[in-house]
Amino acid sequence: DGGITQSPKYLFRKEGQNVTLSCEQNLNHDAMYWYRQDPGQGLRLIYYSQIVNDFQKGDIAEGYSVSREKKESFPLTVTSAQKNPTAFYLCASSWQGRTEAFFGQGTRLTVV
Amino acid sequence: GENVEQHPSTLSVQEGDSAVIKCTYSDSASNYFPWYKQELGKGPQLIIDIRSNVGEKKDQRIAVTLNKTAKHFSLHITETQPEDSAVYFCAASKDSGGSQGNLIFGKGTKLSVKP
Repeated sequence: DGGITQSPKYLFRKEGQNVTLSCEQNLNHDAMYWYRQDPGQGLRLIYYSQIVNDFQKGDIAEGYSVSREKKESFPLTVTSAQKNPTAFYLCASSWQGRTEAFFGQGTRLTVV
Repeated sequence: GENVEQHPSTLSVQEGDSAVIKCTYSDSASNYFPWYKQELGKGPQLIIDIRSNVGEKKDQRIAVTLNKTAKHFSLHITETQPEDSAVYFCAASKDSGGSQGNLIFGKGTKLSVKP
């Protein structure tokens, strides 16, 4: 089945540790995105990538990093510099030049 | 930049009634307006979208209307069913001949359909 796979579904992290969230898609989409969702806040864009080996900061990039070495993969690292990392993280993808975005099932990160 | 406002934040209806969710946007250059449905613990799912060259689009029980002059668009769900209960998000972006903009989301509406 074609789709976007995020793993793990739940993730716990100790303060001061970096953690990497996985996002893989087999839709042959060029563009990929990472959003953060907090209660009552909607979805806020962290980073996006329109082609391999290129990515751009979104509205709330501080404390996060990404890489785009393969078209299918767009991992997100939540660093210790992110002051409030507990949130629901969503990955999405779309075709180049088209804004219809398709989402994964999300990863819920909790800092303990 | 673009700003999207969504109302109401919560909406409760009886099964079989209609539900309407409204969004306004600030950037007159925005030309793509999708609606997403998010069930608890899952990712948002695209349910319908509209581009600025049309005023209305319908898909079975759901429809979206767009008023470019007033810069607002609305989601209409008729004959609501309990499985329609979810959080609905509107969004806006600019598509410009192959150069896509990023989606700006509203804060969501929690719809509850009472049986």
